[in-house]
Amino acid sequence: EADIYQTPRYLVIGTGKKITLECSQTMGHDKMYWYQQDPGMELHLIHYSYGVNSTEKGDLSSESTVSRIRTEHFPLTLESARPSHTSQYLCASSEDRGRGETQYFGPGTRLLVL
Amino acid sequence: KNQVEQSPQSLIILEGKNCTLQCNYTVSPFSNLRWYKQDTGRGPVSLTIMTFSENTKSNGRYTATLDADTKQSSLHITASQLSDSASYICVVSDRGSTLGRLYFGRGTQLTVWP
Repeated sequence: EADIYQTPRYLVIGTGKKITLECSQTMGHDKMYWYQQDPGMELHLIHYSYGVNSTEKGDLSSESTVSRIRTEHFPLTLESARPSHTSQYLCASSEDRGRGETQYFGPGTRLLVL
Repeated sequence: KNQVEQSPQSLIILEGKNCTLQCNYTVSPFSNLRWYKQDTGRGPVSLTIMTFSENTKSNGRYTATLDADTKQSSLHITASQLSDSASYICVVSDRGSTLGRLYFGRGTQLTVWP
């Protein structure tokens, strides 16, 4: 069982609200990721980080922002939520044991924007 | 274009039966291929990881195969159980960047009936 946590698990919120999705891991991993996943679709990388004070945008254009002030914490913020942001958001961290990186995923946050 | 295609999209089998899921990829260069299991409402969990030189890898009742020449992989599940009901995702990593970029399939939704 991976030690990576996401809160909240479910969130229903109105359009225009600011929200922060929390992600934390206790495995000491430097690399962390945020993915967006719609039902029946593949995961899309929206943000990643190599370590503290490092943040990069992923493949999928996103209006969200991230920060990495501490190794264990990688929150994602939406300044003004819209219905198009409705999706599942998965956080992951990874380690490389010499056979390529293995990612460990959190349980996800299901977001519904009304 | 680097892609990962999985088939079938969904599959229903009876408890105790075997099944095989397919993954075809066009990712190049190739580093490794992983199969993940994603239970409903949860994040993906790694089942197997295979590098270029590996043909077969087992994890309990799960056996993955890789043919790097034809760029095909399969995941065979033996004596299926109700708890095997999940989405199975094929993920291919390239070695063309420091990130070791991951390409995700859309998954095969497996349902095991009693």
